[in-house]
Amino acid sequence: EIVLTQSPGTLSLSPGERATLSCRASQSVMSSSVAWYQHKPGQAPRLLLYGASKRATGIPDRFSGSESGTDFTLTISRLEPEDFAVYYCQQYGSPPLVTFGGGTKVEIK
Amino acid sequence: QVQLVQSGAEVKKPGASVKISCKTSGYTFTNYYIHWVRQAPGQGLEWMGVFNPGAGGTIYAQKFQGRVTMTRGTSTSTVDMELSGLTSEDTAVYFCARDLLGGTYYPLFYFDYWGLGTLVTVSS
Repeated sequence: EIVLTQSPGTLSLSPGERATLSCRASQSVMSSSVAWYQHKPGQAPRLLLYGASKRATGIPDRFSGSESGTDFTLTISRLEPEDFAVYYCQQYGSPPLVTFGGGTKVEIK
Repeated sequence: QVQLVQSGAEVKKPGASVKISCKTSGYTFTNYYIHWVRQAPGQGLEWMGVFNPGAGGTIYAQKFQGRVTMTRGTSTSTVDMELSGLTSEDTAVYFCARDLLGGTYYPLFYFDYWGLGTLVTVSS
């Protein structure tokens, strides 16, 4: 089973700052199989990126994704007030087919 | 616009079953796979399985094999998810979510539209 480990657990930043979120896979995964979601309390999760770096419909270009081996990164270039949330990475592959990371909370400093 | 509207909160006793519905609108129902994902209190997201509303096929996560059943609901454009043998560890918010691409032979396993979730509480 592929385990996704996200770090840090919590990121305390101010609006306008750059956020860098990490997601490390326990073994090799296809970059085409990695996605990132934003989740706010009481709301539905929101797909941000898929295929590691493709922005979903309507997602602003301050959100970007990259990969290096088994490390995947979500970068928010300049944090807007609405960006403070929990972010999850997700991959699909061999059974159990879909796994999520434990999440990174981006909070206002 | 695309909407996924889920049924209301449930309280169940250990050993019981729960059935949650997900009513979809704003797109061709049979063209898009529907996934189910849950989130236990204070925990992350956990994928449970996927249902093909067109052909009726399912793929379940190994953890839930034998306990989960995903079907087409009796209402129009609705998918149901039933989980049996409930324990306190099944207390969670359950989400339905639509697969990103429609008309594909196999799910893409990305989720672009989600319901707001249904809270299931298992307590004696």
